[in-house]
Amino acid sequence: AQSVTQPDIHITVSEGASLELRCNYSYGATPYLFWYVQSPGQGLQLLLKYFSGDTLVQGIKGFEAEFKRSQSSFNLRKPSVHWSDAAEYFCAVGEVDTNAGKSTFGDGTTLTVKP
Amino acid sequence: GAGVSQTPSNKVTEKGKYVELRCDPISGHTALYWYRQSLGQGPEFLIYFQGTGAADDSGLPNDRFFAVRPEGSVSTLKIQRTERGDSAVYLCASSLYGGLETQYFGPGTRLLVL
Repeated sequence: AQSVTQPDIHITVSEGASLELRCNYSYGATPYLFWYVQSPGQGLQLLLKYFSGDTLVQGIKGFEAEFKRSQSSFNLRKPSVHWSDAAEYFCAVGEVDTNAGKSTFGDGTTLTVKP
Repeated sequence: GAGVSQTPSNKVTEKGKYVELRCDPISGHTALYWYRQSLGQGPEFLIYFQGTGAADDSGLPNDRFFAVRPEGSVSTLKIQRTERGDSAVYLCASSLYGGLETQYFGPGTRLLVL
């Protein structure tokens, strides 16, 4: 069965500093990978996704993620964090073989941004 | 355009009661998903509809949970004989065709079972 691990429950960074959120997945084949952001009172919003091709994926709000098959990782990065980036971030792996689109999510990383 | 909406936003009920949670997907989206998010955890897949039919209900935890989408648009998640362990945020998402299409999530219904 597929699974996702986000090792960091909570991360605090200063505004303007760089950010990296870790994600490791377990899946038998080439995975479909996603990063979502969830702000208080709002629904999950897709930041970016990886299906195939270039392993460095650009997303919205200045985020990017890199797929590393050898490390089973899909870490999310941002060069300079803004206070509005404070939120909870979820990594997810999508089911490929059934093409159903259902996803397995990690337990999330809460990002706090210090002024 | 309008996004995915869910009603009610909050629901408090007593153990043993029946509840219905509603999801209005984005107009024209054929795929609809229900997830459950417990405190401190990521969303957990419950059921996936393609049109009116439940294409995958493998995530429903037991037979107290049931969902319908009779006209291929609005969906209702029904929970019978609620238990305290059912307390969670229930999320609905829709996508244009399912599969690799982007899923758009609603704000969720927070269910509290006393």
